[in-house]
Amino acid sequence: DTGVSQDPRHKITKRGQNVTFRCDPISEHNRLYWYRQTLGQGPEFLTYFQNEAQLEKSRLLSDRFSAERPKGSFSTLEIQRTEQGDSAMYLCASSSRDTEAFFGQGTRLTVV
Amino acid sequence: DQQVKQNSPSLSVQEGRISILNCDYTNSMFDYFLWYKKYPAEGPTFLISISSIKDKNEDGRFTVFLNKSAKHLSLHIVPSQPGDSAVYFCAASEGTYKYIFGTGTRLKVLA
Repeated sequence: DTGVSQDPRHKITKRGQNVTFRCDPISEHNRLYWYRQTLGQGPEFLTYFQNEAQLEKSRLLSDRFSAERPKGSFSTLEIQRTEQGDSAMYLCASSSRDTEAFFGQGTRLTVV
Repeated sequence: DQQVKQNSPSLSVQEGRISILNCDYTNSMFDYFLWYKKYPAEGPTFLISISSIKDKNEDGRFTVFLNKSAKHLSLHIVPSQPGDSAVYFCAASEGTYKYIFGTGTRLKVLA
């Protein structure tokens, strides 16, 4: 296992379009997180899964955002009706109960 | 309200000298602290962590110090190397998930 994998690495989309990102965590990790990072800021927590259960969602995650982890393995983050303010780096991380979070390389979203 | 603060946006250090990166937090319920390093176009990479029951943790050239009464932690890198040039993020959590990150400090190690 080479670590947390995110796809795509870059996405440019027109305002109003829907986008979906995928995250494949480290295989033995049952915890999965999504964070968002904008320029000059640290990563901001969006949501947390333990296995397939979404246990916490930040209020940053508006109703245009939805995340799933259907079988407790990979996860998807969908943004509907994208806005320019959604432009950011979307980071996925995974961990087990006893480890720190390992981050993927991120998906950079640009909304034009 | 920024619960984790890194007040120095940047730091330059000569190769071989000590780099000291600082972080302050406001939430006394935080019990686990981490430092991550980030290169451009990559995700954050875990460096070192410390539990609130300790005041120091070392891993090779990296040492983290925690002062709970001052709600302050610092990362010491000795000796600094050009490959250490990156953005360093401090993070804190209650328990072991949902990290709250600072805004980062860009370290530049000059050869």
